[in-house]
Amino acid sequence: EAGVVQSPRYKIIEKKQPVAFWCNPISGHNTLYWYRQNLGQGPELLIRYENEEAVDDSQLPKDRFSAERLKGVDSTLKIQPAELGDSAVYLCASSLETLSETQYFGPGTRLLVL
Amino acid sequence: LAKTTQPISMDSYEGQEVNITCSHNNIATNDYITWYQQFPSQGPRFIIQGYKTKVTNEVASLFIPADRKSSTLSLPRVSLSDTAVYYCLVGDMGTGGFKTIFGAGTRLFVKA
Repeated sequence: EAGVVQSPRYKIIEKKQPVAFWCNPISGHNTLYWYRQNLGQGPELLIRYENEEAVDDSQLPKDRFSAERLKGVDSTLKIQPAELGDSAVYLCASSLETLSETQYFGPGTRLLVL
Repeated sequence: LAKTTQPISMDSYEGQEVNITCSHNNIATNDYITWYQQFPSQGPRFIIQGYKTKVTNEVASLFIPADRKSSTLSLPRVSLSDTAVYYCLVGDMGTGGFKTIFGAGTRLFVKA
């Protein structure tokens, strides 16, 4: 069974440029999460989807970050414009149901903003 | 929100049993305790989950005392490949639904 797929794996951009990350969750998983992980720290939840609905985006910096999950499957996380402090690993995870802590993570996208 | 406290780092030798304790004094009645493992350049991987007493799977054991204010992840006979960061999470039914809060984790370094 394929795991959570993310692309790209690495991205280097200059500040003020836009960037987008893509995630394909495990088939049949209704819940999708986006996390940001800074160096030496644990992942920080940015947004959680139940199917196509964003049910928790309280930690998403809405001035520059946006996300969508059209049709309740794939998801895209966008940053526009990127800032130096956005350099981090962006992780996508999915789970079968909301009340389960068993989340399956993708390999992440490592973003470097210059 | 239920927070967790873990040691920042631990060292061990191959073949030893490693116990990592996590404190979660504010755990709520409906909260579960979950542990994840993360290798460099990879996303976290689920290890084990429990609510009370003891849970064991092919990878680890999880010990939870009656008051549930702490939990201990036990890794039997560690190998070099167990070198990773281990996160303790407590499921939190906060406003708006289930929240996942990762702490800084415990960096386990297994030496030969």
